[in-house]
Amino acid sequence: NAGVTQTPKFQVLKTGQSMTLQCAQDMNHEYMSWYRQDPGMGLRLIHYSVGAGITDQGEVPNGYNVSRSTTEDFPLRLLSAAPSQTSVYFCASSYSTPPTNTEAFFGQGTRLTVV
Amino acid sequence: AQSVTQLGSHVSVSEGALVLLRCNYSSSVPPYLFWYVQYPNQGLQLLLKYTSAATLVKGINGFEAEFKKSETSFHLTKPSAHMSDAAEYFCAVLTQGGSEKLVFGKGTKLTVNP
Repeated sequence: NAGVTQTPKFQVLKTGQSMTLQCAQDMNHEYMSWYRQDPGMGLRLIHYSVGAGITDQGEVPNGYNVSRSTTEDFPLRLLSAAPSQTSVYFCASSYSTPPTNTEAFFGQGTRLTVV
Repeated sequence: AQSVTQLGSHVSVSEGALVLLRCNYSSSVPPYLFWYVQYPNQGLQLLLKYTSAATLVKGINGFEAEFKKSETSFHLTKPSAHMSDAAEYFCAVLTQGGSEKLVFGKGTKLTVNP
């Protein structure tokens, strides 16, 4: 059981380039989300999805797009990378129904540097 | 809006000493609260969760947390720190009343000194 898999683990981009961070889960979770982690800021929610075909914005969505065509996959797209997007990105998944199944499972993270 | 505040971005204890990491929440409804741990260069792992079943919640690795409604607190404790407890700890609340979202505090980095 792989859990939540993120690729790549590391990436360096030039300003203005675009790329997609991949996230896949094999636990049949309905709920998936993307966070960015910056020093002293904790984890901030970028986008989330409550099921295939449904996405919504989190706290810091600007500069990012998502789609959810399948239950398993939730890619995060950077449209035109900026140095302010240098961060560690985490994907998470969970069951959507509280309270007993509300644990979120996290991937290992993608460390992105924009130069 | 539901939120959490972690008091102290850095906590340092000696090996064998009590660990106390503070978290206060803000919520107009009974909250679902969580503590996650992040070891260096890794993702987050659930330590424990409060879902209103019991006010004292026991988690993995000897950690526990007590939900105190009167103090709006959910502090994390461990009686005796181990070197392996050195990590960053995050308190989180599950927002309700519409779209569910996990909102994190800013984290507390725990250092354990020999």
